[in-house]
This record gives sequence, structure tokens and C-alpha cells, in this order.
Amino acid sequence: DAGVTQSPTHLIKTRGQQVTLRCSPKSGHDTVSWYQQALGQGPQFIFQYYEEEERQRGNFPDRFSGHQFPNYSSELNVNALLLGDSALYLCASSSGQGAGETQYFGPGTRLLVL
Amino acid sequence: QKEVEQNSGPLSVPEGAIASLNCTYSDRGSQSFFWYRQYSGKSPELIMFIYSNGDKEDGRFTAQLNKASQYVSLLIRDSQPSDSATYLCAVNRQGGKLIFGQGTELSVKP
Repeated sequence: DAGVTQSPTHLIKTRGQQVTLRCSPKSGHDTVSWYQQALGQGPQFIFQYYEEEERQRGNFPDRFSGHQFPNYSSELNVNALLLGDSALYLCASSSGQGAGETQYFGPGTRLLVL
Repeated sequence: QKEVEQNSGPLSVPEGAIASLNCTYSDRGSQSFFWYRQYSGKSPELIMFIYSNGDKEDGRFTAQLNKASQYVSLLIRDSQPSDSATYLCAVNRQGGKLIFGQGTELSVKP
């Protein structure tokens, strides 16, 4: 049973560029959440997708956008990259959209903005 | 006040000892509580979740929840060097958004 997968594993971009990160949820899961984890900090919630719609959003600017496809996979797009966007980007999948649903994390994409 | 706070680390315990990790949260509407383990350079891995007041045991791990005190803890019995990692407490309010503490680094010395 495949777990949550993310691609790419590492990425280097320069300021002002755009980036797209991809996530495939665990088999049987239909909800995808994205988190940003800066070095030495806990993950920060970016947004959650369910039934191809953004259902919840954290305190992130509009430069951060996403999409969920009919097969439940998801993309995170970040435009006009800033140095401060350098972080580990985590995708988590869960089943359903209930408050208590356990989220399982993928291996993450480490983004470095120069 | 941060929404989820964990005791500052690093926490160092000898092999075989009990490690105690603590977490407090500010929103009384929080419904479920999670402990994740994160090794350096890796992603968070779920250890346990707890929804109801009291204790929940799984092998060497015990999660404790006290909603009245807004407190959740994780006990690791017979700590092993392989338990050395950062432990993240996460709280889930309605809608599925996880709010994390800053993490506590645990070091188990042989």
C-alpha cells in the first residue's frame, strides 16, 4: 500500500520565480493538506483540499495557490518566490473531512530560494 | 500566547528511562490531539492520537489528555537511542486544520 508521495524531493529556485509541487495521497484518502515547515519550527498549515475545492486556508498570501485533481492528487503553486519561502513543504493526506481525521505526511519537498 | 506550546528542549534522558513530553493548547474547542515524531531531515511520522480525556497506551508510548487543563502529554517508557528525534504535538479543530507546537527535541543517551 503506497503511502503519501511528493515530488520533487529537492528544488532550487531564484527570487521571483514560480514553483509547482506535487502530491499523491495515500490509497483510500481523498483529502490533501499542505504545510510549510521552516527550519526549527513546527509545520504551518497552508490549505486543505477536499472534493477538488479549497476548504480551509491558513495565514498565507495569495501567492500560494493549489489544486486538487479528480484522482485526489494535488499541486501547490507558489508565485513570485521570496527568500523566506525556503522551507520544507509537506503534504498530508486523510480520509474524509471530519475534524478528527488522522493526517499522514509525505516525505516533503525541500525548497531553497536563492 | 501561542495556540499550541511545547516544553522547551532539548530534553536529554538516559537509555531505559521514561521520557515525558508536554504540550498545552489554548482553544477549548480543540477536538483531537496528535503526537508526531520527526527525525532530522525527515517528515513527521504519526505516533499516536487521542480524543478523550485519560490515558491511551500503545506499546512503549502513552498519551495523556486533560481537556479541563488543556494539556496533553506523551510518555515514552524504556527510552531507546532510536527514540532520539523531535516530537511534535498537533491539535485539530473542526475542519481538519492541524496546529503544531514548535516541537521538543529528545536525546536518549546510551
